[in-house]
This record gives sequence, C-alpha cells and structure tokens, in this order.
Amino acid sequence: GESVGLHLPTLSVQEGDNSIINCAYSNSASDYFIWYKQESGKGPQFIIDIRSNMDKRQGQRVTVLLNKTVKHLSLQIAATQPGDSAVYFCAERGTGGFKTIFGAGTRLFVKA
Amino acid sequence: GAVVSQHPSRVICKSGTSVKIECRSLDFQATTMFWYRQFPKQSLMLMATSNEGSKATYEQGVEKDKFLINHASLTLSTLTVTSAHPEDSSFYICSARRGAYGYTFGSGTRLTVV
Repeated sequence: GESVGLHLPTLSVQEGDNSIINCAYSNSASDYFIWYKQESGKGPQFIIDIRSNMDKRQGQRVTVLLNKTVKHLSLQIAATQPGDSAVYFCAERGTGGFKTIFGAGTRLFVKA
Repeated sequence: GAVVSQHPSRVICKSGTSVKIECRSLDFQATTMFWYRQFPKQSLMLMATSNEGSKATYEQGVEKDKFLINHASLTLSTLTVTSAHPEDSSFYICSARRGAYGYTFGSGTRLTVV
C-alpha cells in the first residue's frame, strides 16, 4: 500500500546550523508532496510543497528537494532557529485523489 | 484567509458516552474535509474523507458506526465518537480542502476518555 516514511525519528542541531530532514515514499504515482511543521498540541502547519514535475523548490529559509528516481524527499532549513523546533512531516497526494498521506515524522531539536 | 476552526480543543468524557467534534471553514467553502487521528509520538492517520451532501468515505479499519461523520454544509463537518472508550483517547484533527492544492488544518481536539 501507500506509505511515506522517514529515515530519522529525531534530529538535534545547533542554532544557526542548517537542518536536513529526509523522507522516503513508496507510491511512484504520487504527484504532489508537502512538508508540514507541527508544534505540540497543534495542527500541522504548511511549510512548502513541490509537484512531481520539479526537483527543487525554495522558500524563505527552506528548500525541498525531490528525487523521483529513488523516491526521496528532503527538507532543508537554513540557519535553524529555536522556533524551528517541532515535528516535521512529509506528506503526499496521489493522482486521482485528494487524500493527504503523512509520513512518520521527525522531531527537530534546536540547541541554543 | 483560509482559516479552519476546530471545536472543542480539549474534551474529557466518560467511557460509554458520545462526543461531537466540529470543524468549520471560516472564510471559504469546503466541499471536502478530512478527519485524522494522531496518537502520542505518532503520525497523523487518515480516518475518513467527508464530502458535503454525501456519505463519508472511511479508510480501511475505521469503524463507520463508531466514528460518525456529517458534512451537512459547505463550511461544517462534524465527527461524533460514539460509545467512547479509553482506547479512543487521541488527538483528532480535521482538514478542509480549498481548491486543488489548498488544504488547511484545524488546531486539533484532544479527546480523553476516562
């Protein structure tokens, strides 16, 4: 079945360093990918998305990379700040449907 | 814009009772809403897709008679957990679809069944 997973459950970085969070997906038919940030006790917050016809997309301090050959997605956060501490989920939506399927999540700790 | 309000944010109920959770799109119409459940330190698991004016579509393994979903208007979907038990204690989150790629999540409801 469809699944979206993560390589690392936790990631600890020093404030100011760059963070890289990885994700693997298994559904080659997925055409849209999203990264969400979730703080404790809150709903997911959209960070950045990318369509399958792209391999890179940049936002403010964040970059998403998509490698369809190996079905891998990554989120890069530049100059990580304490406010970036949260759980990050990758998610995917396939063609022909509107369901968003979430990966396992990575908790990011930012050390001051 | 694109705000989704979920209510209540926290609820404690006795085992055997029913609890209703509301999800409202405040500034847009949502023909489709989604309900998720999230256990501690786990990911969001899709429970069902709620379509305005029609029956909800449940994911495999989700009991439709236990988790009643009603989407009677373009701005409101409700999830009722019937005959709740302690194992139903979880964080329930709704999401409203706005156009092809615009999805907005509610702030979640922490349900504790005692």
